Amino acid sequence: AQSVTQLGSHVSVSEGALVLLRCNYSSSVPPYLFWYVQYPNQGLQLLLKYTTGATLVKGINGFEAEFKKSETSFHLTKPSAHMSDAAEYFCAVTKPSGYSTLTFGKGTMLLVSP
Amino acid sequence: DAGVIQSPRHEVTEMGQEVTLRCKPISGHNSLFWYRQTMMRGLELLIYFNNNVPIDDSGMPEDRFSAKMPNASFSTLKIQPSEPRDSAVYFCASRQEDYGYTFGSGTRLTVV
Repeated sequence: AQSVTQLGSHVSVSEGALVLLRCNYSSSVPPYLFWYVQYPNQGLQLLLKYTTGATLVKGINGFEAEFKKSETSFHLTKPSAHMSDAAEYFCAVTKPSGYSTLTFGKGTMLLVSP
Repeated sequence: DAGVIQSPRHEVTEMGQEVTLRCKPISGHNSLFWYRQTMMRGLELLIYFNNNVPIDDSGMPEDRFSAKMPNASFSTLKIQPSEPRDSAVYFCASRQEDYGYTFGSGTRLTVV
């Protein structure tokens, strides 16, 4: 079974500050990992994903995440927050097999203040 | 590419009524998923289809819920009879071979 833990249901930053959203996973096999963003009353949009290869993954809107197997982590970062980054962020895990599904964390709401 | 299309966007119904949610996946995606999002439980997988065949329906809450995928371009999720605790946002997603999951905009269901 797989699971995802996102530390902090809410994270507050000032505009221009570093964004760090934490995600730890549990998986019996090498996982594929994802970050999604959800704006109010909208669906989930893929920010980035890690499958194989380089462990530092760059995504849209200036976000990146690093897969650290030894720490079972996949934290999401952005050097400088923008007001438009305010949204809910979800980390998700799946296993690389034909029949697999996404398991989501509970989400972290990012609040950006001017 | 129009993305994953869900309808309706909003549905308000009375307890006991039948509700049908619809989903059109992205052409060429051979996997389709139904998820439910609530404040209390977050995003939960309800059912997963691969090549139109249900693979995992262990997340379907109870017999009041049913899902079908009659062809590669259409799926329905039906609740009969509906109850207030079914109020949630229901998402459909489809997946490419490279694990690119694409989500629809969701259907916000309110059962009163």
